Amino acid sequence: NAGVMQNPRHLVRRRGQEARLRCSPMKGHSHVYWYRQLPEEGLKFMVYLQKENIIDESGMPKERFSAEFPKEGPSILRIQQVVRGDSAAYFCATTQGGSGPNEKLFFGSGTQLSVL
Amino acid sequence: AQSVTQPDIHITVSEGASLELRCNYSYGATPYLFWYVQSPGQGLQLLLKYFSGDTLVQGIKGFEAEFKRSQSSFNLRKPSVHWSDAAEYFCAVGAGNTGTASKLTFGTGTRLQVTL
Repeated sequence: NAGVMQNPRHLVRRRGQEARLRCSPMKGHSHVYWYRQLPEEGLKFMVYLQKENIIDESGMPKERFSAEFPKEGPSILRIQQVVRGDSAAYFCATTQGGSGPNEKLFFGSGTQLSVL
Repeated sequence: AQSVTQPDIHITVSEGASLELRCNYSYGATPYLFWYVQSPGQGLQLLLKYFSGDTLVQGIKGFEAEFKRSQSSFNLRKPSVHWSDAAEYFCAVGAGNTGTASKLTFGTGTRLQVTL
């Protein structure tokens, strides 16, 4: 049973380009969380999705960032017109759902985005 | 709004010595509390979690943490550190009343160095 898969592991973009980060949940997981880790900081919640629905995007920047989790395929975090400040490690975490103590979160290894 | 403070950015201990990593949280209701470990280039791995009940929680790899409501603390301890414990440790709080424990607020982390 493969874990949470994120790709690419490293992504280099020039300012103004688009970045697409992919997250394939563990088998049976239909809930996806995206977190961003800036250098020397803890992880910050960005968005929570269930299949085909955005549940909570309170941590997403208002512009240039979007996320989706289609019925088929991985969840995608898209950053348009990247700027240097977008350079960070982006982690996704997935869960089967449930609530409280029954909800177990599994993290991927992250995508390190570097903007030149 | 909930918040987490990890006052120690770096800690160095000798192998075999005891360890305590501090974590203070701010949350209006009963929190869900977590400790995660992150090795270089890896995602986060859950060490232990507290939801309710016994305030002393046992985790993996010989770690334990104690929830002290009066001090708003959830410190992580290990009686004897191994060189392989060198990593970054994150304390996190989840909103226990939202039906999901996975929208987490993380502290800024404590980097543990172990000397031989």
